[in-house]
Amino acid sequence: DAGITQSPRHKVTETGTPVTLRCHQTENHRYMYWYRQDPGHGLRLIHYSYGVKDTDKGEVSDGYSVSRSKTEDFLLTLESATSSQTSVYFCAISESLQESSTDTQYFGPGTRLTVL
Amino acid sequence: GQNIDQPTEMTATEGAIVQINCTYQTSGFNGLFWYQQHAGEAPTFLSYNVLDGLEEKGRFSSFLSRSKGYSYLLLKELQMKDSASYLCAVRGIYNKLIFGAGTRLAVHP
Repeated sequence: DAGITQSPRHKVTETGTPVTLRCHQTENHRYMYWYRQDPGHGLRLIHYSYGVKDTDKGEVSDGYSVSRSKTEDFLLTLESATSSQTSVYFCAISESLQESSTDTQYFGPGTRLTVL
Repeated sequence: GQNIDQPTEMTATEGAIVQINCTYQTSGFNGLFWYQQHAGEAPTFLSYNVLDGLEEKGRFSSFLSRSKGYSYLLLKELQMKDSASYLCAVRGIYNKLIFGAGTRLAVHP
């Protein structure tokens, strides 16, 4: 199994509070991703990173920001949480983004976030 | 637009064969992945297709037709532990993965 951990694993918070989720990897993979998973929608990409301090938006980035100051850590921040951000958040890593690569993405265990 | 369709739910009997279909329309195509996800767990990689045809891996096979925008995952000799969600994902432009909503498979004795 790829060495990916997420913290916290569960969190309950109130609307309007800031929340930071952490993804930590021990694989030294260059690429890291944050997804949210909701019933009926599958996994949707929030933000991704292609190197230290290099990040870009995914399809559902509004209300989220990310930072990557070290290869091993990718942080997802909800500046002011809303009930619509209640979801399960997965971090993923991959070694390569080459179009011909068979490299897959490996997923962390997930964080269940509830915003009341 | 980008769209990936797969059935929401399927049921099958232990020992049988089941085929889970996936159709896609995406901006760019750099391969199709299948993942398995047990309830409350992370998705895990099952298979990858980038060329037309069948890829076989033990009890699991995956097929791709790029001209039809179609793939299927074939599970043989079903076991109870195969009860899970199966996610179809297309790697599109900038190598981002676009996921379908998943197919929940229930295997009954």
